[in-house]
Amino acid sequence: DVVMTQSPLSLPVTPGQPASISCRSSQSLVYSDGNTYLNWFQQRPGQSPRRLIYKVSNRESGVPDRFSGSGSGTDFTLKISRVEAEDVGVYYCMQSTHWPWTFGQGTKVEIK
Amino acid sequence: EVQLVESGGGLVQPGGSLRLSCAASGFTFSPYSMNWVRQAPGKGLEWISYISGSGSIYYADSVKGRFTLSRDNAKNSLYLQMNSLRDEDTAVYYCARSQGQYWGQGTLVTVSS
Repeated sequence: DVVMTQSPLSLPVTPGQPASISCRSSQSLVYSDGNTYLNWFQQRPGQSPRRLIYKVSNRESGVPDRFSGSGSGTDFTLKISRVEAEDVGVYYCMQSTHWPWTFGQGTKVEIK
Repeated sequence: EVQLVESGGGLVQPGGSLRLSCAASGFTFSPYSMNWVRQAPGKGLEWISYISGSGSIYYADSVKGRFTLSRDNAKNSLYLQMNSLRDEDTAVYYCARSQGQYWGQGTLVTVSS
């Protein structure tokens, strides 16, 4: 199975400051069709997960543009340009290139 | 508006069975792949099964041979038959469309004697 490793696992941030979460996969996530199926999810306390980013860098409709995704191959990053209070929660990367699909351990973002 | 509503969770004894349902609305159900993802209390997300629009099915090793995924396109519904349940199957079970574009609110399954 593809192992997804996120860092850090805990991220205290000051409102208005940037934040960055790393996600590394144990093998390349480039699929045979040339796409890289790396997704980012946000799970606010008490809520279902919500997809923010798909195929590395594509923002879902309605996701604020302060969220951005980047990376390639086995190394990916989710960036929040200016953290807001509503961004508190756990963030997961997930690969859907290889079976079984696998998630990272999650990164808990909290406000300082 | 896309809606996914899970039901069927509850308390079951180890070795027992449960059938989860996911009712979909707000989109044409049949072409879309669907998934079940679970989350044990206080833990992370675990993908457990997938069914394509054409009926191809994949399972995580943790549930293979015990869980059966199916869909009824006429009823816009997804099902997960869970047999031989274990303590470690205790979790909130979410259904999700495609590669997680939409999620339901989840249904809690508790396996305990």
